[in-house]
Amino acid sequence: DGGITQSPKYLFRKEGQNVTLSCEQNLNHDAMYWYRQDPGQGLRLIYYSQIVNDFQKGDIAEGYSVSREKKESFPLTVTSAQKNPTAFYLCASRIGTVTNEKLFFGSGTQLSVL
Amino acid sequence: AQSVTQPDIHITVSEGASLELRCNYSYGATPYLFWYVQSPGQGLQLLLKYFSGDTLVQGIKGFEAEFKRSQSSFNLRKPSVHWSDAAEYFCAVGAWEYGNKLVFGAGTILRVKS
Repeated sequence: DGGITQSPKYLFRKEGQNVTLSCEQNLNHDAMYWYRQDPGQGLRLIYYSQIVNDFQKGDIAEGYSVSREKKESFPLTVTSAQKNPTAFYLCASRIGTVTNEKLFFGSGTQLSVL
Repeated sequence: AQSVTQPDIHITVSEGASLELRCNYSYGATPYLFWYVQSPGQGLQLLLKYFSGDTLVQGIKGFEAEFKRSQSSFNLRKPSVHWSDAAEYFCAVGAWEYGNKLVFGAGTILRVKS
């Protein structure tokens, strides 16, 4: 079955540590997105990529980094510069790059700080 | 700046009762509008979307929404709520003029009492 796979489901980070969240899709979608979800704040866009080897910052990119070396994969690294990383992270993809096409979401990764 | 407001953080309805979740947006362009639903610890699933044409749109699971340009609203409705509808609901707005970014509301948590 086609879909978006996020791993791990739960992740713990120590102070000063970088951690990487995985997002893989086999939907052959061009565009991929990372959102951060905090209670009462909805979803906020961290980074997005419309094509391989290209990505753009979203609204809250500071303290995060991404890569898009393959169409299927869009990993997100939460760096030590992100001082408040505890949140639920959602990866999404879209078949094209046009705003009116729906997003497909993964099941999310809950990141917590030890 | 673009913004989406979901004025109700929590709503509780009795099973079988009707439901209306409110969504207001502020956009300087012709918007595309979406409603997504999220079950605990899961990604988001698209309920319905509006691009153009008929302002009353039908979605999955018996939901519908009406786009009212004069009120900048896109409220979600269901005539008879089922216990399985308990979840968090997000309104999202995008516009071609603002690229590929969707702006999400903060969400409304729906509780269903039997």
